[in-house]
Amino acid sequence: QAQLVQSGAEVRKPGASVKVSCKASGYTFIDYYVHWVRQAPGQGLEWMGIINPSDGTTQYAQQFQGRVSMTSDTPTNTVHMELSSLTSGDTAIYYCTKELREHRFDPWGQGTLVTVSS
Amino acid sequence: NFMLTQPHSVSESPGRTITISCTRSSGSIASNYVQWYQRRPGSSPTTVIHEHNQRPLGVPDRFSGSLDTSSNSAFLTISGLRTEDEADYYCQSYDSSHVVFGGGTKLTVL
Repeated sequence: QAQLVQSGAEVRKPGASVKVSCKASGYTFIDYYVHWVRQAPGQGLEWMGIINPSDGTTQYAQQFQGRVSMTSDTPTNTVHMELSSLTSGDTAIYYCTKELREHRFDPWGQGTLVTVSS
Repeated sequence: NFMLTQPHSVSESPGRTITISCTRSSGSIASNYVQWYQRRPGSSPTTVIHEHNQRPLGVPDRFSGSLDTSSNSAFLTISGLRTEDEADYYCQSYDSSHVVFGGGTKLTVL
């Protein structure tokens, strides 16, 4: 059964960067795209971007262009999402999720809380 | 980019039926599949409807999805409401270069 397990909660100061990892198991890692989605407190789900784990190609949402980087490490079946120049507005739960087909997301990781505070 | 607009909240009694709308701002609602996700507090989202009206294995048939092209909207209907249906529900769709989520609808079953 496909499963995504994310790294633990992080606390950062404004201006810093954070890197969240997402380890896949139970399926062929390179066969499925992985997306990153976040949810800020009291807000809805926000799509951040997509990575093709087989070749590392990415596409980012416009609002994160220049600030986000998604990478894949095929030997460990892990994708990473790094977000830089953090502000308090980046405080959120960050999820990785596998695209099953036709932009249907299943499963989702358990989420990683990133808190940005001085 | 297009937007998906949902009502902020809806409430209904156990056993009744509710329908949540999801209206696409530009482009046809039928041109790209719509998914619906349920998110309970403290849990990750799970799919209740995919590809407009398909139910994943394990999702009860009380959940159904539909489209109305005249209003450019998708709908999630939950019949025979139960207290465990209380959650946030998000619609989601895409175009050639973007994935878009609706703002979410908080369902209260009281």
